[in-house]
Amino acid sequence: GAVVSQHPSRVICKSGTSVKIECRSLDFQATTMFWYRQFPKQSLMLMATSNEGSKATYEQGVEKDKFLINHASLTLSTLTVTSAHPEDSSFYICSAPSRQGSFSYEQYFGPGTRLTVT
Amino acid sequence: GEDVEQSLFLSVREGDSSVINCTYTDSSSTYLYWYKQEPGAGLQLLTYIFSNMDMKQDQRLTVLLNKKDKHLSLRIADTQTGDSAIYFCAESTGGFKTIFGAGTRLFVKA
Repeated sequence: GAVVSQHPSRVICKSGTSVKIECRSLDFQATTMFWYRQFPKQSLMLMATSNEGSKATYEQGVEKDKFLINHASLTLSTLTVTSAHPEDSSFYICSAPSRQGSFSYEQYFGPGTRLTVT
Repeated sequence: GEDVEQSLFLSVREGDSSVINCTYTDSSSTYLYWYKQEPGAGLQLLTYIFSNMDMKQDQRLTVLLNKKDKHLSLRIADTQTGDSAIYFCAESTGGFKTIFGAGTRLFVKA
């Protein structure tokens, strides 16, 4: 099946610094990618929809100036957490839809990035 | 607002059946999904059911949908240690926007 990778898998940063997380579709093109956030024992929460060549669409309550999304190519979307604070510590997951699946709304998920802000 | 709830933990013995339950609140849900997440890997679509269906069976997996009660269940027959994972219930009203539950961690004892 289609593969989505994320880098890094884990990152620890100091409060006030910025962190970039990459999401790549390895064997298919993705004009759209999704970024989720998951707190321990809680649901995946959709943060934003990343669109290749245009601005991302953010969900209500998500600060677009804090979570910068760039979708510069058909296989790469990046999420930059700016001026990170301890409350930004979470598990960040990206996904990409694939037309190759038997189910037209199937999403392929990356393995996630664990961000810890100290 | 939209919400999906599921229990956080389930433990079964190898060879037994596992039943993971989920409730959702959006009556306009069109698609209901079960995703599986193994350690270090991304979520993988396990199975899905349309809201106009009551049941779907796929080998060892049986999905039951009670639309009136907004209750979805996943039954895994003859559970194996390889089935140990986190199982996410999810729903959508069409399109890609999907609401997920918190995931049920299934632990299979040998």
